[in-house]
Amino acid sequence: DQQVKQNSPSLSVQEGRISILNCDYTNSMFDYFLWYKKYPAEGPTFLISISSIKDKNEDGRFTVFLNKSAKHLSLHIVPSQPGDSAVYFCAASEHGNQFYFGTGTSLTVIP
Amino acid sequence: DSGVTQTPKHLITATGQRVTLRCSPRSGDLSVYWYQQSLDQGLQFLIQYYNGEERAKGNILERFSAQQFPDLHSELNLSSLELGDSALYFCASSSSRTGDEKLFFGSGTQLSVL
Repeated sequence: DQQVKQNSPSLSVQEGRISILNCDYTNSMFDYFLWYKKYPAEGPTFLISISSIKDKNEDGRFTVFLNKSAKHLSLHIVPSQPGDSAVYFCAASEHGNQFYFGTGTSLTVIP
Repeated sequence: DSGVTQTPKHLITATGQRVTLRCSPRSGDLSVYWYQQSLDQGLQFLIQYYNGEERAKGNILERFSAQQFPDLHSELNLSSLELGDSALYFCASSSSRTGDEKLFFGSGTQLSVL
């Protein structure tokens, strides 16, 4: 049972435009959400997180939005850069216990 | 560099065999997590250790076992290997017992079972 879903396996965006990556979850008890970025031959690296008490968190070009009623979160990257091309995983946990990861979305930013 | 070291990077073995994957966490991190990533699958949580003790268990098969040693390094043992065990195995560490801090991942061990 996939508790965290990323329904878009891939996304292509023009450099300078906005990238929007989406993630849905099923467990309403999840209260902590993270996005990780993964380059080939490397492990995932932390990008940004959000607690369920907030609905938005920004860090530079990256913003995560959380819609608890819809059990949906999204990652916005503005402006997108070629170096952002990677696989992005969303993850969720309940009270910091085991993290559930989505299947990832491969982002390609076209120069 | 995340500070998490996994060895070996690649492992090729045959069905029925047993292998051991090793992970050294970041300096000071007490929690170690093991994840499996198969083709088209997300990162599947296997098991977590905190300061030598098992803290949480996920979708880990009975053929798999893990432990965390006093020096905090961890090993994941996979036995009676099957073709379907071929995957990328990641280790991650954090300083938190409950995992409410971000995880730092190693670069993974690619296991191929032939």
